[in-house]
Amino acid sequence: GAVVSQHPSWVICKSGTSVKIECRSLDFQATTMFWYRQFPKQSLMLMATSNEGSKATYEQGVEKDKFLINHASLTLSTLTVTSAHPEDSSFYICSAEILAGGTEAFFGQGTRLTVV
Amino acid sequence: EDQVTQSPEALRLQEGESSSLNCSYTVSGLRGLFWYRQDPGKGPEFLFTLYSAGEEKEKERLKATLTKKESFLHITAPKPEDSATYLCAVQAMASGGYQKVTFGIGTKLQVIP
Repeated sequence: GAVVSQHPSWVICKSGTSVKIECRSLDFQATTMFWYRQFPKQSLMLMATSNEGSKATYEQGVEKDKFLINHASLTLSTLTVTSAHPEDSSFYICSAEILAGGTEAFFGQGTRLTVV
Repeated sequence: EDQVTQSPEALRLQEGESSSLNCSYTVSGLRGLFWYRQDPGKGPEFLFTLYSAGEEKEKERLKATLTKKESFLHITAPKPEDSATYLCAVQAMASGGYQKVTFGIGTKLQVIP
């Protein structure tokens, strides 16, 4: 299957600082990428849909100015958590879709963010 | 609002004991239903996409089926390596013209040797 690489896999940062998470599709071009957040024992919650060359579409309740998304190329999307606070600590996961006789979505390995 | 309910939340099986996981959904304009496997601390791994009622897909010991209201993931003669959390998700068209994916909370499967 297609490979989506997410980096870093874990990060610890101080409260008030910003953290950038990268999501790359390694062997295919992804016009659309998705960013999710997953809290322990909860389902994945879609944060935003990222389209190459245009502004991201954010889900209700997700702060656009806090979670900056940039989809600069067909293989790279970034999520920047600005002015991070402890409540932002979570598991962030990206995914990318390809159309191969149907829609298949492939996920990155996730980023564990801990804000101290 | 789109809803996805998975049951049971947790399932413990003996190796070789077949069973089914359920995913019930309420969505306007279903575009696709996905099944994923997620191991602890990792991103979901794609298993299947189903598009219309009556569709079935198989992969090794797994078989996914779809009706207008629910999907089942059948596990035949499971092995310990099948232990994982199985996630169901539905894709539908949201207001604004983009496609939104809603996940269930998952079923945590444990297969005992």
